[in-house]
Amino acid sequence: QVQLVESGGGVVQPGRSLRLSCAASGFSFSNYGMHWVRQAPGKGLEWVADILYDGSNINYVDSVKGRFTISRDTSNRMLYLQMNSLRVEDTAVYYCARDPGDGFDVWGQGTTVTVSA
Amino acid sequence: DVVMTQSPLSLPVTLGQPASISCRSSQSLVHNNGNTYLHWFQQRPGQSPRRLIYMVSNRDSGVPDRFSGTGSGTDFTLKISRVEAEDVGVYYCMQTTHWPPWTFGQGTKVEIK
Repeated sequence: QVQLVESGGGVVQPGRSLRLSCAASGFSFSNYGMHWVRQAPGKGLEWVADILYDGSNINYVDSVKGRFTISRDTSNRMLYLQMNSLRVEDTAVYYCARDPGDGFDVWGQGTTVTVSA
Repeated sequence: DVVMTQSPLSLPVTLGQPASISCRSSQSLVHNNGNTYLHWFQQRPGQSPRRLIYMVSNRDSGVPDRFSGTGSGTDFTLKISRVEAEDVGVYYCMQTTHWPPWTFGQGTKVEIK
C-alpha cells in the first residue's frame, strides 16, 4: 500500500546537525512533489520545505533557509531533510507528505526532533 | 504569504449534533487556472494528519459522507452533519493556490461535550 516512513529524529544540542529520511513505497515516487511539514509540541502544522518531482525546484520556509536542505534519491525512493545549525525552536515532529497537486494526500507517521542543551 | 484564519479554535459538540468550522483566507484562493486549492485535514489524538476534503468539496476515499466542504473565494466551511466519537481531534484548513509558502490554518479542536 501507499506508505511514507520517516526516520532519523532524535535529541540534539543547539547548533548541531541531523538528517531526516523518508522512505516511500507503494507508488511511483518519481511522479510526485514531496514536502516536509513540522508540528511543534502542542502547536499547529507548519510547512517547512518542498522538492519538485524531478528535483528541479526547491522551496523553504524563511525560518530554515540557509540551514536546512531538502533532497531526494529517486532510484531508492527516499526523501531527505538535512538540518544544520539546529535551534531550540526547531523542536517538532517532522512529517513527510506527498503532493499530487491537490493537497497533501499521504503523510508519514512523523519523526521527533528535540533540540535541547 | 496567504494567512488562513479558522474559527472557532475550540468546538465542544454533543454526539449526534452538527458541527461547523470556518476558514478564511487573506486573499482569494482561486488559481489562475480557475481551480480553488483549499483542503481540510483531520488530526486525531496521537496520529498524523489525514486529508479529508480536497479542492473545497471533494471527499477523500474512505471519508464518511457526514463530512462536507463548501465555500469559494476567501470563505470556506467544513461541516460534520452528525458528530461521532471518532471525529474528536484537530481540523486544519490548508491552501495550495499561492506558494511558497503553503499555509495552514491554526487548527480547530473538536471535542465531545
